[in-house]
Amino acid sequence: KQEVTQIPAALSVPEGENLVLNCSFTDSAIYNLQWFRQDPGKGLTSLLLIQSSQREQTSGRLNASLDKSSGRSTLYIAASQPGDSATYLCAVDTQGGSEKLVFGKGMKLTVNP
Amino acid sequence: GAGVSQTPSNKVTEKGKYVELRCDPISGHTALYWYRQSLGQGPEFLIYFQGTGAADDSGLPNDRFFAVRPEGSVSTLKIQRTERGDSAVYLCASSLMTDTEAFFGQGTRLTVV
Repeated sequence: KQEVTQIPAALSVPEGENLVLNCSFTDSAIYNLQWFRQDPGKGLTSLLLIQSSQREQTSGRLNASLDKSSGRSTLYIAASQPGDSATYLCAVDTQGGSEKLVFGKGMKLTVNP
Repeated sequence: GAGVSQTPSNKVTEKGKYVELRCDPISGHTALYWYRQSLGQGPEFLIYFQGTGAADDSGLPNDRFFAVRPEGSVSTLKIQRTERGDSAVYLCASSLMTDTEAFFGQGTRLTVV
């Protein structure tokens, strides 16, 4: 059974720092991994999707890497801003017939001005 | 529409009542998913549709929960004899096809009193 872990559960940093958010998963047989952002009381906004054959994806100040063999992904946020404050979730789509996404519990990020 | 639309955004119901939650996916998306998110947790899979058929309903917690997608577009999640433990945010997502990027709606916050 696939399990996704995000540690730490919360992070508070001053504005301007470069951040690394971690995600680990137990079953390396995945189709893809997706990072989402969730603002309080809102749905999920897709940030980046990494296919299993890819090593990384970039969008603006965000860069996500994937090391499938070790079951790890990292979301890198450059020059953090207060507007980046949100909960960040990673989710994996596992091979083997199941089409569902398995999510971590998320990491609540607070960027202080 | 431009994104996944869910109605209502909030629903308060009395214990024992029946509720219906609606999801309108992105036009042309064949895959549709329902997830449930409790406070402080990541979303948990409920059911997945490919076209009109429920391809995987293994996440439905019990037979009080049922979902349909009769024309392969709009889906309705139906909960009978609601219980206080059903209170959560119900999220719908769609993707162009399986194993591609999933786009989420804003969710329906269900409160059973």
